Amino acid sequence: DAKTTQPTSMDCAEGRAANLPCNHSTISGNEYVYWYRQIHSQGPQYIIHGLKNNETNEMASLIITEDRKSSTLILPHATLRDTAVYYCIVSHGSSNTGKLIFGQGTTLQVKP
Amino acid sequence: SAVISQKPSRDICQRGTSLTIQCQVDSQVTMMFWYRQQPGQSLTLIATANQGSEATYESGFVIDKFPISRPNLTFSTLTVSNMSPEDSSIYLCSGGPWGETQYFGPGTRLLVL
Repeated sequence: DAKTTQPTSMDCAEGRAANLPCNHSTISGNEYVYWYRQIHSQGPQYIIHGLKNNETNEMASLIITEDRKSSTLILPHATLRDTAVYYCIVSHGSSNTGKLIFGQGTTLQVKP
Repeated sequence: SAVISQKPSRDICQRGTSLTIQCQVDSQVTMMFWYRQQPGQSLTLIATANQGSEATYESGFVIDKFPISRPNLTFSTLTVSNMSPEDSSIYLCSGGPWGETQYFGPGTRLLVL
């Protein structure tokens, strides 16, 4: 079973920041938080991942709470092309086989 | 990052037949995986494709139905055997180094009539 909880759907206005929450209250010390997204009819696209510290790349920022029980993916200026299903996944670190257990994800609808 | 391609991109098959899907990675990767995505659903892991040994299957998936090969560090195949309409899904492979980010192929869309 997936080890994360996400809202089923969210809306965001184009040009505004999209903040997608994820709960992973049972995360263990060596597990990373990964975010992927799946645009309709395409394979999942890697966005970002983190262990403890906040992370930022050209696509998004990842904010992880100090107790690591939840995180937020931030798309700073959402565009219509960011409409997708966003998956938050917890994956083992030190014994990381790389396999990913997907939950249902959050469907983000960016509106004009 | 690894770039992953799959063949075919889509197919329509008759029940009772088998289809082999190919997954090619543009660099050597330690880990490769196969997933299934049924209509309107999330991704479900089928198996880990192990180089030089038998694949490791997740609960609910068996080798007779989904035989997998991995002859080297850049290539794997998944066969969907004795297909029925319930096998209509998107099949995706992923790959990446041990302990690092996994990247996905574009998927193979299978419709079984």
